[in-house]
Amino acid sequence: DQQVKQNSPSLSVQEGRISILNCDYTNSMFDYFLWYKKYPAEGPTFLISISSIKDKNEDGRFTVFLNKSAKHLSLHIVPSQPGDSAVYFCAASRLGNAGNMLTFGGGTRLMVKP
Amino acid sequence: DAGITQSPRHKVTETGTPVTLRCHQTENHRYMYWYRQDPGHGLRLIHYSYGVKDTDKGEVSDGYSVSRSKTEDFLLTLESATSSQTSVYFCATSGGETQYFGPGTRLLVL
Repeated sequence: DQQVKQNSPSLSVQEGRISILNCDYTNSMFDYFLWYKKYPAEGPTFLISISSIKDKNEDGRFTVFLNKSAKHLSLHIVPSQPGDSAVYFCAASRLGNAGNMLTFGGGTRLMVKP
Repeated sequence: DAGITQSPRHKVTETGTPVTLRCHQTENHRYMYWYRQDPGHGLRLIHYSYGVKDTDKGEVSDGYSVSRSKTEDFLLTLESATSSQTSVYFCATSGGETQYFGPGTRLLVL
C-alpha cells in the first residue's frame, strides 16, 4: 500500500511556463514533506521542504503548497527552464520518528521544452 | 550537500556471489540509509542506521544485510546476489529532517 503517490509519471511543459507537480499521501501522521530532484546517473538532491504547520513555502522559482485536509501537496516551478528537466520525487516523514525515515513517491519525470 | 561517496559506482556480478557496497560520509551525520531505485517504485528503503552498530530493517530488507562499525561508513551486503537485486543503490545520510544522497551504485546481477 503506497502511502505517498505521484500519479503523473511524466509532465511536459514549455520553457517559461509554470510546471506543477502533484503528490498525494494517505497517512495523516505525516507532518513534514520534501521534494527532491534527480538527474540521470546522479543521486537525488534536496530541493525544498514544508512543515505541516505551514501551507506554503517558497524558495526562488520553487514553491511548495500543502493542503492537509486533502492530503495533497504540489510543487510549482515558475518560470520553468530546460535545466529543470529531471525526475522529481516527493517524500513524507513524521518528525521525530525513530530513524528520521522518509517515504517516497514513485517520481514524476519533468521535461521542459525550449 | 553532505560529503557522501559510494563505491564501487558500477558493478557486474554473477548470481549467487556475495557483494558489498560501501557508503562513506564526512559530515558526522548520525543517520545513514540504503535505498534501491527501480522503475515505477521510486526509492525504497532497504536498511538504515541510527548510530554505530545500531541498524534496523526497512521496507525491502530480504536478502540484504548491513554493518556500521564507524560513524562515517555504512556497508550494504548482498549475501547471495540474485537477478532481482539488479538495481541502482543509493546511500543517504541525515543529521536532522533532511536526507542527503550519494551518487549511487549501479549493480547488474547476471
